[in-house]
Amino acid sequence: DGGITQSPKYLFRKEGQNVTLSCEQNLNHDAMYWYRQDPGQGLRLIYYSQIVNDFQKGDIAEGYSVSREKKESFPLTVTSAQKNPTAFYLCASSKSGLWAYGYTFGSGTRLTVV
Amino acid sequence: ILNVEQSPQSLHVQEGDSTNFTCSFPSSNFYALHWYRWETAKSPEALFVMTLNGDEKKKGRISATLNTKEGYSYLYIKGSQPEDSATYLCAFIENGGQNFVFGPGTRLSVLP
Repeated sequence: DGGITQSPKYLFRKEGQNVTLSCEQNLNHDAMYWYRQDPGQGLRLIYYSQIVNDFQKGDIAEGYSVSREKKESFPLTVTSAQKNPTAFYLCASSKSGLWAYGYTFGSGTRLTVV
Repeated sequence: ILNVEQSPQSLHVQEGDSTNFTCSFPSSNFYALHWYRWETAKSPEALFVMTLNGDEKKKGRISATLNTKEGYSYLYIKGSQPEDSATYLCAFIENGGQNFVFGPGTRLSVLP
């Protein structure tokens, strides 16, 4: 079955460390997205990519970086510059530009800074 | 940044009750609205994609309506069951927009 795989499910990071969250899809979707969820807030867009080797900042990109070297993969790096990285991170994909289709989401990674 | 609101924030109902909740979004420049169901420990799942004013969509006991002129969408659940317990998210995209903006969600708990 096609879908999105996020790993790891839980991640602990020490202050000052960079960590990378994995997101892989086998849906042949062009567009991929990273969202962050904090308690009581809606999903907020960090970065998105409509095609390979291209990506755009979302609303809260500071302290994060991404790459899109392959269509299937869109890893997110949480850098030490991110002031408050403890959150739940969701990856999603969609058929690019076709808003008649919903997003397909992964199951998320919960990042905790210790 | 666009403002998408959902109410109520949370809701507790008894099994068998019918319920509804609201998503409010900017009434100008509408392009599409999505509803998602997000069960605990699972991925959000797309319920409805709505694009036209007056749209009504139905999936089993769940239905949704759309009023783009006044900027709201209602989600209805008829005869709630415990398995309906989840957070329901709406997401709005404006005409010419690049991405959806999500509301904070309504958390529904159905008590047996």
